[in-house]
Amino acid sequence: AQSVTQLDSQVPVFEEAPVELRCNYSSSVSVYLFWYVQYPNQGLQLLLKYLSGSTLVKGINGFEAEFNKSQTSFHLRKPSVHISDTAEYFCAVSLMYSGGGADGLTFGKGTHLIIQP
Amino acid sequence: ETGVTQSPTHLIKTRGQQVTLRCSSQSGHNTVSWYQQALGQGPQFIFQYYREEENGRGNFPPRFSGLQFPNYSSELNVNALELDDSALYLCASSLGTSTAMGEQFFGPGTRLTVL
Repeated sequence: AQSVTQLDSQVPVFEEAPVELRCNYSSSVSVYLFWYVQYPNQGLQLLLKYLSGSTLVKGINGFEAEFNKSQTSFHLRKPSVHISDTAEYFCAVSLMYSGGGADGLTFGKGTHLIIQP
Repeated sequence: ETGVTQSPTHLIKTRGQQVTLRCSSQSGHNTVSWYQQALGQGPQFIFQYYREEENGRGNFPPRFSGLQFPNYSSELNVNALELDDSALYLCASSLGTSTAMGEQFFGPGTRLTVL
């Protein structure tokens, strides 16, 4: 079975500073990788995804992530954060080949990004 | 384009009761997935419905069941509620069953409290 670890439950950052949210995964087979953001009282919104190809993926709102297969990591970065980036961020994986039928997304526990003025 | 909507927003039930949660998928989407998000945790996959049939299931007992209707809306039913069922229940719709090919669009969720 696959699993996702987000080591930091909370990350405080000053406005306009860079940020990195860490994500490591474990799977015996190849996976697709995703980052979602959840604003208060809202559903999850897809930031970016890695399916194949270039290991550096660019997403919405200035976020990017880099897939590192040897370290089984998919860390999310933004060069300069804004107050509006305050939210919960979830890393997720899904199996490339589920053997028929869906197995859905497997999420980490989330990282709360806190932007300080 | 109408997004994913869920009803009700909040719900309070007691142990042993049954509950039905509803989800209207985004226009044009034929697949609905349900997730349970306990407090402080990431969402956990319950099951997925595609063309009115269950297409995949996570590690949830049979008292969690669902339906998908011809208009692709969906229901999640939970029987014999337990305290641990208290959570935010998220519905996600997509076009097709592949998480790679079809982005899942999430609704705002239904907050279920079991007393």
